[in-house]
Amino acid sequence: AQKVTQAQTEISVVEKEDVTLDCVYETRDTTYYLFWYKQPPSGELVFLIRRNSFDEQNEISGRYSWNFQKSTSSFNFTITASQVVDSAVYFCALILDSNDYKLSFGAGTTVTVRA
Amino acid sequence: DAGVTQSPTHLIKTRGQQVTLRCSPKSGHDTVSWYQQALGQGPQFIFQYYEEEERQRGNFPDRFSGHQFPNYSSELNVNALLLGDSALYLCASSLGEGNEQFFGPGTRLTVL
Repeated sequence: AQKVTQAQTEISVVEKEDVTLDCVYETRDTTYYLFWYKQPPSGELVFLIRRNSFDEQNEISGRYSWNFQKSTSSFNFTITASQVVDSAVYFCALILDSNDYKLSFGAGTTVTVRA
Repeated sequence: DAGVTQSPTHLIKTRGQQVTLRCSPKSGHDTVSWYQQALGQGPQFIFQYYEEEERQRGNFPDRFSGHQFPNYSSELNVNALLLGDSALYLCASSLGEGNEQFFGPGTRLTVL
């Protein structure tokens, strides 16, 4: 069975600092999809990014960037120049590509950005 | 373009009662998944509906059941409520396999 681990429970930073969230996953499948979601205090999960297992190219989208390394089964996420509005719980999640349709979530990392 | 909607927002029930939660998917999406999120934890998959059939089920008892209608909207039913069923219930919709699931605002269920 697949598993997603987010070792960081909480991270607190001052505004404009960069924040990197760690995610390590376990799966025997060779094809899978990785996601990051944000859950602000309102409770709604907001989709941020998606990567598939055969594309290890790292990208930047605005203040968000991610580092996908298949060799270490890691999918880390960075917020550059953090803002107070970035305060939320961030979840890493995994979907397999073999008749398994569920998102498997990590436990989440609470990010607090102080002004 | 309306996103995923859920009703009600909040619900308070007592042990042993039954509850029905509702979800309308994002326009153009044909698949609905339900998740339970206990306080301080990540969402846990309950089941997914596609073409009005339950396509996959997580580790939840039979007290949890669902339905998908021809317009792709869905219901989650929970019978014989337990205190441990208190949680945020999230509905997500998607199109195709492996694609991102878009979540609704959730229904906060409290069982007393």
